[in-house]
Amino acid sequence: QKEVEQNSGPLSVPEGAIASLNCTYSDRVSQSFFWYRQYSGKSPELIMSIYSNGDKEDGRFTAQLNKASQYVSLLIRDSQPSDSATYLCAVTSIKAAGNKLTFGGGTRVLVKP
Amino acid sequence: IAGITQAPTSQILAAGRRMTLRCTQDMRHNAMYWYRQDLGLGLRLIHYSNTAGTTGKGEVPDGYSVSRANTDDFPLTLASAVPSQTSVYFCASRPDRGNEAFFGQGTRLTVV
Repeated sequence: QKEVEQNSGPLSVPEGAIASLNCTYSDRVSQSFFWYRQYSGKSPELIMSIYSNGDKEDGRFTAQLNKASQYVSLLIRDSQPSDSATYLCAVTSIKAAGNKLTFGGGTRVLVKP
Repeated sequence: IAGITQAPTSQILAAGRRMTLRCTQDMRHNAMYWYRQDLGLGLRLIHYSNTAGTTGKGEVPDGYSVSRANTDDFPLTLASAVPSQTSVYFCASRPDRGNEAFFGQGTRLTVV
């Protein structure tokens, strides 16, 4: 089992609709959770971070964390064509070996005008 | 230097050759990471370092080695390159209590 899992997509969303992305993780001691956006040929960039259970909103983005069920999700409201990208879920955990930042495989999102 | 820099940007390498990918950051971050990114597989952790003088193995460490002689530099070495190491390599750094991992621009490596 991969440590962080995402549906690879593509997730096709009409412009103006809500895109919903999910991520599950296997390590129960995971502490910090991140969503990165990556445009084709570019480096990942952070769009959201969340550390405690519940929702966190930032503009059109909402991250949701449920540690009991070991999943974190990202909602993109009023999706725009510029939101078309790959979204990467990342998780940190502190184990005996130290602080690792592990990514999921990414979900490709296509927003159609 | 502003942020995190990787070199080279791209490279074509003959199989069996040795290659070192360079990564330098000027943010004094303790944690640094090397990832490879292949189509459909996302970012896979190769090696990481929590502080100068320490390193750890990630998900796909075989065929790669790293060193962390100081805070700023975290080179990744392929001792004897193989075609399966063709990939885009990203270096990243992260502050101890920070949110964001800062990424370099990536190195596109082709092993032929």
